[in-house]
Amino acid sequence: EDKVVQSPLSLVVHEGDTVTLNCSYEVTNFRSLLWYKQEKKAPTFLFMLTSSGIEKKSGRLSSILDKKELFSILNITATQTGDSAVYLCAVEPFQGAQKLVFGQGTRLTINP
Amino acid sequence: KAGVTQTPRYLIKTRGQQVTLSCSPISGHRSVSWYQQTPGQGLQFLFEYFSETQRNKGNFPGRFSGRQFSNSRSEMNVSTLELGDSALYLCASSSRRDRGGDEQFFGPGTRLTVL
Repeated sequence: EDKVVQSPLSLVVHEGDTVTLNCSYEVTNFRSLLWYKQEKKAPTFLFMLTSSGIEKKSGRLSSILDKKELFSILNITATQTGDSAVYLCAVEPFQGAQKLVFGQGTRLTINP
Repeated sequence: KAGVTQTPRYLIKTRGQQVTLSCSPISGHRSVSWYQQTPGQGLQFLFEYFSETQRNKGNFPGRFSGRQFSNSRSEMNVSTLELGDSALYLCASSSRRDRGGDEQFFGPGTRLTVL
């Protein structure tokens, strides 16, 4: 069965710190890995990764995928209180239809 | 471009009733997926529709069903509601090009409470 595991489940840091969130997966016929940020309601899209070793970057956030070791990391540098959220990792198996398998999420809290 | 919209935003029902939730995807998007989010189970895939056809289904009982209309709008229906159906129901749309995955954009969700 397809599975996504995120760690840590919860993380509390001070503003300005750098954090690394982890996502490992087991899935048949991997297609892509996606990161989302969920604050109140709808998860908002951050990155989609399909190729190993290519870093995706957006401002202070970056992510990279290792398809050999079956994991991805999400880095946030110079954290701000607005980064407080649940970060979700999801994997899309190649099944000819879009079905995302989500991890449990990492709840990140940034204290001022 | 308007985002994914879902109605209603909040719903309270009693056990045994049925409910219909609606989702309008981003204009031009043809794929609509539904997810259930609960504190215990996290986000779980319900089903996906593309061009009015259900292409994939998660591990949910037959009480959960859906459909998609020719304008790509989608509805999901839950019959004979149970307390455990209380959850945030999220709809996501994507343009679904054939090559490479496409990111899914989520709507704000419908918070269903079953009493």
